[in-house]
Amino acid sequence: NAGVTQTPKFQVLKTGQSMTLQCAQDMNHNSMYWYRQDPGMGLRLIYYSASEGTTDKGEVPNGYNVSRLNKREFSLRLESAAPSQTSVYFCASSLDRISYEQYFGPGTRLTVT
Amino acid sequence: GENVEQHPSTLSVQEGDSAVIKCTYSDSASNYFPWYKQELGKRPQLIIDIRSNVGEKKDQRIAVTLNKTAKHFSLHITETQPEDSAVYFCAASTDYGNQFYFGTGTSLTVIP
Repeated sequence: NAGVTQTPKFQVLKTGQSMTLQCAQDMNHNSMYWYRQDPGMGLRLIYYSASEGTTDKGEVPNGYNVSRLNKREFSLRLESAAPSQTSVYFCASSLDRISYEQYFGPGTRLTVT
Repeated sequence: GENVEQHPSTLSVQEGDSAVIKCTYSDSASNYFPWYKQELGKRPQLIIDIRSNVGEKKDQRIAVTLNKTAKHFSLHITETQPEDSAVYFCAASTDYGNQFYFGTGTSLTVIP
C-alpha cells in the first residue's frame, strides 16, 4: 500500500515549456487535490476532483489544467511554465467529502528558470 | 472565499513547556478544522482535527479548541519534545470538505 505517489520528485523547466505532474493513490479514495506550497504562504489549492469524472477550480487555478484520468490518477499540467510557478506541488486524496482527512503525496519540487 | 490567519509564524519553547498556535477564519460556514504537521522536507500529515459541533478535542499531548462565535481555533501541545519541532498548519473547510484553506504555518522549535 503505497498511499499517494507523485512523479517526478524534482523538475527544472525553462519559461514556456510544458509538463505534466502525475499523481496516483491506491487507497480507493474518491476525492483528489493539487496544492502548491510557497514559502510563507502555506498550501494553496489549485484544483480538486470530488469524484471520478469531475474537476473544479481551487484558489489559484490560473496557468494550470488537470485531468482525472480514472479513480486512481489525477494529473496537473502546466501548458506554458512561468517563473511564478516555481513551487513545491503536493497531491492529496481523501476518501470522500464526509471523511475529510487528506493524505498527501511526497511532493514535486519544480523550478522554472 | 475563506481567509485563514495563523499566529505566530515562529515559536520557540523549552522542552517540557507548552506551545499554543492560534488561527482565525472568516467564513462562518466553515465546519471542519484540521491541523497538519510538516517536518522538514516531508509531506504534511494530519495530527488532529475538530468539527464545528465540538468545542474541544484531545489526543494525548495535543488538543484543539474551537470558538465558533469568535471564529478562532487553537492548537495546544503540552510537554513538548524535540520531535515536535516542525511546521504546523491550520486549515478550514467549507462545502463538505471539498476546499481547504490553509494558514501560512507556524515553525515550532523545541529546545532541548
